[in-house]
Amino acid sequence: EAGVAQSPRYKIIEKRQSVAFWCNPISGHATLYWYQQILGQGPKLLIQFQNNGVVDDSQLPKDRFSAERLKGVDSTLKIQPAKLEDSAVYLCASSLGGRDYGYTFGSGTRLTVV
Amino acid sequence: KQEVTQIPAALSVPEGENLVLNCSFTDSAIYNLQWFRQDPGKGLTSLLLIQSSQREQTSGRLNASLDKSSGRSTLYIAASQPGDSATYLCAASSGAGSYQLTFGKGTKLSVIP
Repeated sequence: EAGVAQSPRYKIIEKRQSVAFWCNPISGHATLYWYQQILGQGPKLLIQFQNNGVVDDSQLPKDRFSAERLKGVDSTLKIQPAKLEDSAVYLCASSLGGRDYGYTFGSGTRLTVV
Repeated sequence: KQEVTQIPAALSVPEGENLVLNCSFTDSAIYNLQWFRQDPGKGLTSLLLIQSSQREQTSGRLNASLDKSSGRSTLYIAASQPGDSATYLCAASSGAGSYQLTFGKGTKLSVIP
């Protein structure tokens, strides 16, 4: 089966600019997650979708970050305006959902804010 | 709030050695525990998933154990190879019905030829 697709792979922007990341999960996976991984840290959950509804966005900095999952398939994560501390790898993962299933992660988007 | 700790942060071993990576978690009410591998500049690759009702899982040279009562998991790698060099992350799945993963910071493994 095809894996989780993410684009772009790399992005360099100046602070206060905006940026968007795209994720296409594995076909049939109802649950989609966006994680932020700062260098030297473990991934931290930003937002979780179940189909096209938000399950948890409690750790999403909503003043600058937004995410959507239209039609319960693809998802986009946007940052506007970006700050230096947003420099990180943004990972998308999908799962069939439920306690018996693991996650499949994409390759991630490495964002550098200068 | 679930917290996951991995010790050691980095480990260097000669090729052929057996090794153990440690993971501890604060909330024992987990659904499962997963071990991932991350190569530099790459995403995460799932290695093993242990359900909360299980004690261990094996895949090739890898064996992961889970002790929920003590809040610990270990990843055992037998006969290490240079290709095993990577960062290994453990993650605990919890959260009332949301099955979210909480990650440790990882252990960076270097296997020296």
